[in-house]
Amino acid sequence: LAKTTQPISMDSYEGQEVNITCSHNNIATNDYITWYQQFPSQGPRFIIQGYKTKVTNEVASLFIPADRKSSTLSLPRVSLSDTAVYYCLVEGGYQKVTFGTGTKLQVIP
Amino acid sequence: KAGVTQTPRYLIKTRGQQVTLSCSPISGHRSVSWYQQTPGQGLQFLFEYFSETQRNKGNFPGRFSGRQFSNSRSEMNVSTLELGDSALYLCASSVGTSLSYEQYFGPGTRLTVT
Repeated sequence: LAKTTQPISMDSYEGQEVNITCSHNNIATNDYITWYQQFPSQGPRFIIQGYKTKVTNEVASLFIPADRKSSTLSLPRVSLSDTAVYYCLVEGGYQKVTFGTGTKLQVIP
Repeated sequence: KAGVTQTPRYLIKTRGQQVTLSCSPISGHRSVSWYQQTPGQGLQFLFEYFSETQRNKGNFPGRFSGRQFSNSRSEMNVSTLELGDSALYLCASSVGTSLSYEQYFGPGTRLTVT
């Protein structure tokens, strides 16, 4: 079972770029890596998903190195509304679905 | 388009009882997954259903079960409740059968076991 760990918390000033890393110690070659954002009292919301190298969408980028033992979510120019908990999700087949431990991001004015 | 709905939103049960939670996916979505969220264990995968068949299962005891109906609606049942089952139960729906598809989460059902 893939074990996924993340920093517990991070602080950032508004307008800065934030990078959150997820470490997965046992990820198969065909595992997707997905990142979700969760606000209090709400279900998680999809941010971005990748398989290898780099993926970018309108809100974030996802970097996956060649060894795939980690992935990094990059949020450009964060705002106060980005204050939330961020989770990575690794999925690789039967009984191998694991969420990361979650990173609480606090954006400071 | 309506989002994922879960009922009830809050529930209080006594240890030893059983409980059934319901999830209605987004129209057109055929996959429904269930997750348990607690402060201590975080988000944990329970199971996934696609076209009425369980295709993936997490590491939970047999007291946790689920099913999916022909209209893709899903129910989750927990029998012989324990205090440790107190949690937020989230369901998520997606278009495809694999969890590599974007999942849309409902607001969750907050279960308290006393």
